[in-house]
Amino acid sequence: NAGVTQTPKFQVLKTGQSMTLQCAQDMNHNSMYWYRQDPGMGLRLIYYSASEGTTDKGEVPNGYNVSRLNKREFSLRLESAAPSQTSVYFCASSPGGEPRGYGYTFGSGTRLTVV
Amino acid sequence: AQTVTQSQPEMSVQEAETVTLSCTYDTSENNYYLFWYKQPPSRQMILVIRQEAYKQQNATENRFSVNFQKAAKSFSLKISDSQLGDTAMYFCAFMKRPGAGSYQLTFGKGTKLSVIP
Repeated sequence: NAGVTQTPKFQVLKTGQSMTLQCAQDMNHNSMYWYRQDPGMGLRLIYYSASEGTTDKGEVPNGYNVSRLNKREFSLRLESAAPSQTSVYFCASSPGGEPRGYGYTFGSGTRLTVV
Repeated sequence: AQTVTQSQPEMSVQEAETVTLSCTYDTSENNYYLFWYKQPPSRQMILVIRQEAYKQQNATENRFSVNFQKAAKSFSLKISDSQLGDTAMYFCAFMKRPGAGSYQLTFGKGTKLSVIP
């Protein structure tokens, strides 16, 4: 099925460890996003990529880095995980250009726990 | 910067009844899009309904409809004939319409809706 695929679905890290969350979309979308979801906070934008070759900070970028590897893939890296990064992470994509009101297509999320 | 406020952290409704979820937003933009997303316990984010700010007519999708009041910056979601499968978190979201580049969604904090049998 077409859509956004995130891996892994669950991950437990120790404080100070690093890891990369992977995201791929097969809808030929131009724009991709990483959000985190915390209880009572809604979804907050970490980083986004308007198009292949560009990335920009969102609302909560500290402690993260991203790579837009190609048009399909957009990864999120935690260099030194902290307990404050315990969250559910969502990758999403959108066509870019005129959105036609469709909004995003979301991945199924990664639940990350940092102990 | 845009902000989205959902003032009802939790709500409940009897099966087959009607419920309205509130959302207000703050923006200086004139052209934008508004969305309601549903997040069931599966965690998947599902688009429920969307509204273009330049359209005065309220959007409707089957049992879901919105009351869009642009001057009041209000965008409420009405669910008619509530079903058990409507139990979920509901997020209101705002997207401004830039001239070029990405289209960032700003989310409210969500309303947890429980449908009671």
